[in-house]
Amino acid sequence: GESVGLHLPTLSVQEGDNSIINCAYSNSASDYFIWYKQESGKGPQFIIDIRSNMDKRQGQRVTVLLNKTVKHLSLQIAATQPGDSAVYFCAENAYNNNDMRFGAGTRLTVKP
Amino acid sequence: GAVVSQHPSWVICKSGTSVKIECRSLDFQATTMFWYRQFPKQSLMLMATSNEGSKATYEQGVEKDKFLINHASLTLSTLTVTSAHPEDSSFYICSARDVGLAGYEQYFGPGTRLTVT
Repeated sequence: GESVGLHLPTLSVQEGDNSIINCAYSNSASDYFIWYKQESGKGPQFIIDIRSNMDKRQGQRVTVLLNKTVKHLSLQIAATQPGDSAVYFCAENAYNNNDMRFGAGTRLTVKP
Repeated sequence: GAVVSQHPSWVICKSGTSVKIECRSLDFQATTMFWYRQFPKQSLMLMATSNEGSKATYEQGVEKDKFLINHASLTLSTLTVTSAHPEDSSFYICSARDVGLAGYEQYFGPGTRLTVT
């Protein structure tokens, strides 16, 4: 079936470095993508989203890139901080679906 | 704004008993709410979509008679785990979509940790 997956299950970076978390999706009908951050024992927290008519969107310290040609999504975090340590999920939504599908998740660990 | 709460935040129950989890949208109305289950170190898996005033739509493999969903109002959906077993122990998360907004954004609750002994 259609799925959303991630290339890397874990990522460890030094504080202050930039982080890049990748996600591959397979549903070509998906037109809305979201990155969520989940800290231990908590619900997902919205970080940034992007629609399929865009290929880049920037927020505060975060940038999402969308490559529809290869069905790839990435989240870039600038100047990573210890508070960024969490599991990051990409999620996708297709116009004809009323739900959101999550990828496997990547655990980001920031070393001081 | 856009706050979703869940109650309880954690619960321990004995095998064979039933547990009800509430999901509320505090400052917006939600015609659609979603229930997810998350096992340790795994992703969120959609269990069912709950629409206000109608029957929930369950994902393949989710037993509707075991996981009873009621969406009686625009701000409240409940998930009842009936005859709970240890394998039902999981983190249950709900989300809600704002009826007043066009688009897909969902707001997630903080989750409920269920432990069945």
